[in-house]
Amino acid sequence: GAVVSQHPSRVICKSGTSVKIECRSLDFQATTMFWYRQFPKQSLMLMATSNEGSKATYEQGVEKDKFLINHASLTLSTLTVTSAHPEDSSFYICSASQGGGVGNTIYFGEGSWLTVV
Amino acid sequence: SQQGEEDPQALSIQEGENATMNCSYKTSINNLQWYRQNSGRGLVHLILIRSNEREKHSGRLRVTLDTSKKSSSLLITASRAADTASYFCATVPTNQGGKLIFGQGTELSVKP
Repeated sequence: GAVVSQHPSRVICKSGTSVKIECRSLDFQATTMFWYRQFPKQSLMLMATSNEGSKATYEQGVEKDKFLINHASLTLSTLTVTSAHPEDSSFYICSASQGGGVGNTIYFGEGSWLTVV
Repeated sequence: SQQGEEDPQALSIQEGENATMNCSYKTSINNLQWYRQNSGRGLVHLILIRSNEREKHSGRLRVTLDTSKKSSSLLITASRAADTASYFCATVPTNQGGKLIFGQGTELSVKP
C-alpha cells in the first residue's frame, strides 16, 4: 500500500535555531500534502496545505514566515521551523494525497517529535 | 475553531463492552473519516463514510452519519484492551480542496 515517510522521527534543537522536517511519498506522486501540528493530549491542527510547484496555503493564525513549507517535487514536501522556541515543541504530522481534491485517499506519515530546548 | 466537537473526551470501559463515540462538525462535508492514534504515534485510518451514506460497517466498527444534524458516531463492539487509543473524526469540508479537519478526539481506555 501507499506509504508516507517522515524524517526525522524525533529531533531536539536549541532555541533560536531552525529545523527541517521532510515528508516523502514513497510509492506515489503526491500533488497535495498537508502539515498538521499536535500538542500533547490535543487534536491535530491543520497548519497548511502544500501544492507541488506553488506556494503553500496557510491556515489562519499560522505564521508563514516561521513555518516555511516547500513542495518542490511530487514526492517531497519540507517544513522548516525557523528560529524555533520551546513553545514550538510539538508533534508534527504530514499527510499526502495522490491527486488532491475530495475523492483521493489521504495517507499519513508517522509524525515527527520536535523538542526545542 | 477549525475543529468539531467530540464526546465523550474520555471513555473507560471493560473488555467485551461496546464503546460509542460521537462527533459533531460545523460545515457541509464531502465525507467524514474516523482515525485511531496510539499515544505518540501516527494515525491509522479506520473508515470513511460519504455524505450520501448513513451507515457503514467494517469488522467490529459501525459508523453512522446524520448530515441534517451534522453529527456522526463510531461504535466499537466487543472491545478489546488493544482498542485502547485516541479516536478522532475528521471531515472533508466541501469546496476546501480536500483538506481534513479533525475533531477534538476521544481517549478510549479498555480495561482487561
